Amino acid sequence: GQQVMQIPQYQHVQEGEDFTTYCNSSTTLSNIQWYKQRPGGHPVFLIQLVKSGEVKKQKRLTFQFGEAKKNSSLHITATQTTDVGTYFCAGLPGYNFNKFYFGSGTKLNVKP
Amino acid sequence: DGGITQSPKYLFRKEGQNVTLSCEQNLNHDAMYWYRQDPGQGLRLIYYSQIVNDFQKGDIAEGYSVSREKKESFPLTVTSAQKNPTAFYLCASSIDPPWGAGDSNQPQHFGDGTRLSIL
Repeated sequence: GQQVMQIPQYQHVQEGEDFTTYCNSSTTLSNIQWYKQRPGGHPVFLIQLVKSGEVKKQKRLTFQFGEAKKNSSLHITATQTTDVGTYFCAGLPGYNFNKFYFGSGTKLNVKP
Repeated sequence: DGGITQSPKYLFRKEGQNVTLSCEQNLNHDAMYWYRQDPGQGLRLIYYSQIVNDFQKGDIAEGYSVSREKKESFPLTVTSAQKNPTAFYLCASSIDPPWGAGDSNQPQHFGDGTRLSIL
């Protein structure tokens, strides 16, 4: 069945260091969305990527969609303590537009 | 102020008991979803509804039931058949269900969740 794998599961960084999380799908995706869940909170939508090779930026966050539309990454430059949380990707398979499949998430901890 | 309201925030279930989690949205969204979140795991889809009076099983529907009699409401019942119900349950909605490739697919808006435990 459809799977969206996300690595790493956890990442501990010193404030100011960079952070990257990766998502890989077993099948080609139509879209990929990224969400952030703060500790004790609910996921909040960050961005959506739809085109092969697409790159989008939000301040210190850079999102990429692979050329084959099977992988995606989120990179945070110079992390801050406000970046703490779990980052999820959610992929919409190209063969079935009914639902998004969420990755297992990467939990980011930033040490001041 | 528009949003999704889940209640209760915490819920305890006795063995053999059915419990119902409430999810209400005033965003006028057509699509609604129920997810289960376990520690260290992602969001697993239980049920989803693309339109009122219609719903579909997700990946882990066994032991759960839903109804969608009104656009704004999508309650989830955790039945006694669900042997491991302890988890964080999240309800979400989107303007439309996913329907094709491209920017037309809408983000999901989540409620604050219900934490269910076994007594």
